[in-house]
Amino acid sequence: GAVVSQHPSWVICKSGTSVKIECRSLDFQATTMFWYRQFPKQSLMLMATSNEGSKATYEQGVEKDKFLINHASLTLSTLTVTSAHPEDSSFYICSARDRDKGKDSPLHFGNGTRLTVT
Amino acid sequence: QKEVEQNSGPLSVPEGAIASLNCTYSDRGSQSFFWYRQYSGKSPELIMFIYSNGDKEDGRFTAQLNKASQYVSLLIRDSQPSDSATYLCAVRGGSNYKLTFGKGTLLTVNP
Repeated sequence: GAVVSQHPSWVICKSGTSVKIECRSLDFQATTMFWYRQFPKQSLMLMATSNEGSKATYEQGVEKDKFLINHASLTLSTLTVTSAHPEDSSFYICSARDRDKGKDSPLHFGNGTRLTVT
Repeated sequence: QKEVEQNSGPLSVPEGAIASLNCTYSDRGSQSFFWYRQYSGKSPELIMFIYSNGDKEDGRFTAQLNKASQYVSLLIRDSQPSDSATYLCAVRGGSNYKLTFGKGTLLTVNP
């Protein structure tokens, strides 16, 4: 089946530093990837839609200058949390859509990245 | 604002019983409906998806969709302790691929 690899699975960083999270589709091509954030006991909240070769589309309330998204190829999207603060500590999850499947096909999720900012 | 509502639970059922999970959604234009299972600290995994009104069965799982009532449910037959997890309902609109998730229902299956 379709596999989405997300790296790293966990990261601890100091306040003020930046962290990059990678999301790769291993056996399919993804023109569209999605980045979600999940706080404890909360649901997944969509942060942004990553489009290959163009700018990401951010959801209302998500700072595009703080959460930099790059989707430079059909198999890789990256999320960079810049100047991280403790309130950015969360579980970040990417998902990808197989461009060769129908529009109603399910998304494939990565295993998530647990970010802790100290 | 598109909303997906679920009872947060916890829903507790004995092993072997039927677990019934419910979800309502606000956007009448929604076209695709998904159930994900999420274990604590893990990413969601797809259980089932349904697009048409009626029932869809896959093993011990049955998804039910009623678009007129804007209601989708998941039945788990012969519940097992390994089914204990949070079940997320997700809805996709017609014009894009974005999924809107509910807050999830915590299911506990007691041995």
